[in-house]
Amino acid sequence: KNEVEQSPQNLTAQEGEFITINCSYSVGISALHWLQQHPGGGIVSLFMLSSGKKKHGRLIATINIQEKHSSLHITASHPRDSAVYICAVKVQGAQKLVFGQGTRLTINP
Amino acid sequence: KAGVTQTPRYLIKTRGQQVTLSCSPISGHRSVSWYQQTPGQGLQFLFEYFSETQRNKGNFPGRFSGRQFSNSRSEMNVSTLELGDSALYLCASSLGGAEIEAFFGQGTRLTVV
Repeated sequence: KNEVEQSPQNLTAQEGEFITINCSYSVGISALHWLQQHPGGGIVSLFMLSSGKKKHGRLIATINIQEKHSSLHITASHPRDSAVYICAVKVQGAQKLVFGQGTRLTINP
Repeated sequence: KAGVTQTPRYLIKTRGQQVTLSCSPISGHRSVSWYQQTPGQGLQFLFEYFSETQRNKGNFPGRFSGRQFSNSRSEMNVSTLELGDSALYLCASSLGGAEIEAFFGQGTRLTVV
């Protein structure tokens, strides 16, 4: 079983829909990252969380440390949000990130 | 402030050759981590350097090595290339603490033929 599991693996939605991507992890962490990867490969860090909730524009990320679960929400989704979203955790006591398998999001106009 | 710069962006090598990839971190960042991304395995941690010292290493064979210079720039080297080494290699830099945000480069896409 992977240490970081994301769901769903693929998600297709219509423009304007509310999107939720989930991440569950099984290890102790010091932080959790949500990353966005567009075709071509470059990765952009969207959020880094160690507790609670963060909001940036139409993106919201939450984390529940007790339940070892995080969600990424996109409100009023747009075709330009189409990308792969990756959850990554910084393992407690180790200087490395462990990644989920990614969620491929497609927003149709 | 310049972002993380990886060179080259694309590379084609032949089996058995060796390759060196470069990563220049954001100014002031002392930690550089390297990751390999393949369609089958996803993103996997290779190693992390902080102040010229390797602090952590992933589960990769000894053909994969790296180093960090005094200006925090880092290189990774892969010797005796195999077809399976074809991947996107990403580096990320950070200030280096446990909860410090990491910033990723655009990656180097290596194709081994």
